[in-house]
Amino acid sequence: GAGVSQSPSNKVTEKGKDVELRCDPISGHTALYWYRQSLGQGLEFLIYFQGNSAPDKSGLPSDRFSAERTGGSVSTLTIQRTQQEDSAVYLCASSLGALNTEAFFGQGTRLTVV
Amino acid sequence: SQQGEEDPQALSIQEGENATMNCSYKTSINNLQWYRQNSGRGLVHLILIRSNEREKHSGRLRVTLDTSKKSSSLLITASRAADTASYFCATAVVDSSYKLIFGSGTRLLVRP
Repeated sequence: GAGVSQSPSNKVTEKGKDVELRCDPISGHTALYWYRQSLGQGLEFLIYFQGNSAPDKSGLPSDRFSAERTGGSVSTLTIQRTQQEDSAVYLCASSLGALNTEAFFGQGTRLTVV
Repeated sequence: SQQGEEDPQALSIQEGENATMNCSYKTSINNLQWYRQNSGRGLVHLILIRSNEREKHSGRLRVTLDTSKKSSSLLITASRAADTASYFCATAVVDSSYKLIFGSGTRLLVRP
């Protein structure tokens, strides 16, 4: 596609439910990132995929969070048993994965846990 | 933990003035990048400066990098109301992954 696509744009879920957030990166981009941004705050790194390497999961805040990247393309971020503090905008980005390349961002998914 | 910290957290200037934002980081980097965010959604890449570069220009943007002080600055000259946004620095940490770690951002308001 022309850019990074994220779905849904907005998601309202009840506390305790599981949610899946989807990211379609730019075709050919080997690197994919997930970030979380709370209102008025900076970007919190969650997880990073690079090619066939094991993902860098060092930013995942708890074991309720997991992510997959199938076939080196589409990625899904899953949050189990959602809590109110999970409410935030979840941003996905992709890049060529080489040194000195820029990241391209999707428009994010705004998650609200009620 | 945050790799980069921007200063100031918020900046309000008059249209036509210059805006300067600073970024400090903690560990060795391959490059440092600046991004802009409007309305709390997707970020747009502005400029990338490599660790062996000291200054870079792009239009009204000027970026400097001082690796000895682990700091960078972004200067926007002749600001416009349309420059109102949040600005973030991001560092590509020296390891095998090139992942980007973002700072906390500077909220810039340019008054018409």
